[in-house]
Formats: sequence, C-alpha cells, structure tokens
Amino acid sequence: AQSVTQPDIHITVSEGASLELRCNYSYGATPYLFWYVQSPGQGLQLLLKYFSGDTLVQGIKGFEAEFKRSQSSFNLRKPSVHWSDAAEYFCAVVRETGNQFYFGTGTSLTVIP
Amino acid sequence: DAEITQSPRHKITETGRQVTLACHQTWNHNNMFWYRQDLGHGLRLIHYSYGVQDTNKGEVSDGYSVSRSNTEDLPLTLESAASSQTSVYFCASSQDRLEAFFGQGTRLTVV
Repeated sequence: AQSVTQPDIHITVSEGASLELRCNYSYGATPYLFWYVQSPGQGLQLLLKYFSGDTLVQGIKGFEAEFKRSQSSFNLRKPSVHWSDAAEYFCAVVRETGNQFYFGTGTSLTVIP
Repeated sequence: DAEITQSPRHKITETGRQVTLACHQTWNHNNMFWYRQDLGHGLRLIHYSYGVQDTNKGEVSDGYSVSRSNTEDLPLTLESAASSQTSVYFCASSQDRLEAFFGQGTRLTVV
C-alpha cells in the first residue's frame, strides 16, 4: 500500500512565481520526512529533511517545507521559482520502525519564462 | 570524497538472460537499497540490506535477488530478465534514517 502520496503529477509555474508541492503520508506516528529533487538523467539529491523540533525546515536552493502533524502533510515551498528548478520532486518517508525509505510517485515541475 | 557508483549506466539484454547490476559505496554505510523508477510509480523498493549477510525483500522483489558479502557492495541480480523489468534502477545507501545517498542510476532495457 502506498504510504506516501503526492497528489500533483505535474505542475507548471511561471518563473518568479511561488511554488507549493504537496505530500501526505499515511502513518499515524511521526516518521522521518524528506524531499528529494531529480534532474533529468540524474540521481536524487536531498533538498531537506525533518526529524523533530521546529516544524518549518529550511533546505538548499531556497526551498523550505512545513510539517503539519494534524494533516499528516509535509509540503514543499519556494517563494520565487527559477528556471533551473524545473525537475522531478519526490517526497520520502522513513517509518519509526525500520530504516527503509519509501517514496511518493513524484511531481514534475515545469517552469515557463 | 565518499560516493556511490552504479555500473553499467546503460544495458540492453534479452528476455530470459541473467543480469547483474553493480552498486558500490564508499560511505561505509550499513544500509543499502535498490529501487526501480517507472513513470507513474515513482521509486519502488526492490530489496534492501542492513549489513553484511543481511538481505530483505521490498515492495517489488519478485524476479530479483541481492547478496551482501561486504559493506561496500550490493549487486542486484535479475534471475531471468523479463520485458516488465525494463526500467531505471537506483542504488542508495544510508546510515540509519538520516539521509539516503543515491547513485546515478542504471537504465536497463529488456528486449
């Protein structure tokens, strides 16, 4: 069963516009949460992660994410998108039991000038 | 610098042949993982290992096997390649749950 849901398969935004990518997980407890980015033909690179503490986490390339326990969500945001942000974005979860990383189906981001 | 490397980067094989994809990491991580990436499915876990001589099945393990004889390597074997196994395969490693580091991927085509 899919434990990580990314409801948006594809998003298109204009350069300079704000961005929010959604991620929901199905576990009641607080897992470890991650966002990865994949450029075409490349492996995955970590953008940010949340383990505990402050629910707003900052990552690389100007990205941030907010953990909301009540909504089982960990949405990724960026105030102003750059053309170089066009890529595939994956949310991932590690359960409290075990060390396996489970990934969502990904959101493909297109940035138009 | 520590890294994780996969080989080959591209491979074409015939249906029914045995294929082995290599994964080598120099992070000295205990955990290693194999995923396949398919359009509409994201990354799905095939097999994983928490240490030498330890292997476990993931979500989509049928038709695949792994072995862990040392810390650095986790080769993935397709026992009898099928067209449904045409995919991009990623190897990853981690220390506990802190972060997974990924290889560049292997594009496998089964004809």
